Amino acid sequence: QKEVEQNSGPLSVPEGAIASLNCTYSDRGSQSFFWYRQYSGKSPELIMFIYSNGDKEDGRFTAQLNKASQYVSLLIRDSQPSDSATYLCAVNDYKLSFGAGTTVTVRA
Amino acid sequence: DAGVTQSPTHLIKTRGQQVTLRCSPKSGHDTVSWYQQALGQGPQFIFQYYEEEERQRGNFPDRFSGHQFPNYSSELNVNALLLGDSALYLCASSFRQVLSGANVLTFGAGSRLTVL
Repeated sequence: QKEVEQNSGPLSVPEGAIASLNCTYSDRGSQSFFWYRQYSGKSPELIMFIYSNGDKEDGRFTAQLNKASQYVSLLIRDSQPSDSATYLCAVNDYKLSFGAGTTVTVRA
Repeated sequence: DAGVTQSPTHLIKTRGQQVTLRCSPKSGHDTVSWYQQALGQGPQFIFQYYEEEERQRGNFPDRFSGHQFPNYSSELNVNALLLGDSALYLCASSFRQVLSGANVLTFGAGSRLTVL
């Protein structure tokens, strides 16, 4: 079983819609969780982190964490063409373990 | 404030050769982690250096080795290159080893290695 698994893409959404990205992790002891965005040919950049159960909002982005279900998600509201990228879920266990990523395409 | 810098940005090697990649961490950071990202995959953890010692290691063979210098910069060395080593090699820095919401990894632009 992979440490971090993300829902397979690609995910295509129309401009203005909500993009929903999911991630599950295997280590129940994991404490903090990160979402990175990676544009094609570029390095990952941090979008947001979460470490408490519930929701955390930052602008158009909302991260949701459910430790009991070992599940973390990212919602992108009012999706824009500039949001088209690969989104990487990462789990912290003294190193960051990344999922394979979900590629999102926002259609204008 | 300079971020994480890596060199070279691109390089081409042939099978069996050796390569050295270099990384300077973000100002104020003292921990360097190296990741390998194959095409279409997420970054895979290679190892982490803190206080000039390898502290954590992922599932990579001994052909992958590294070093951290007193100024916190780091090198990744790969010996006996294989075709499968072709990837984007990412260096990331942080302050101390423990990552938290307040202490996150900052990535460099990466070194793209092609092995022919």
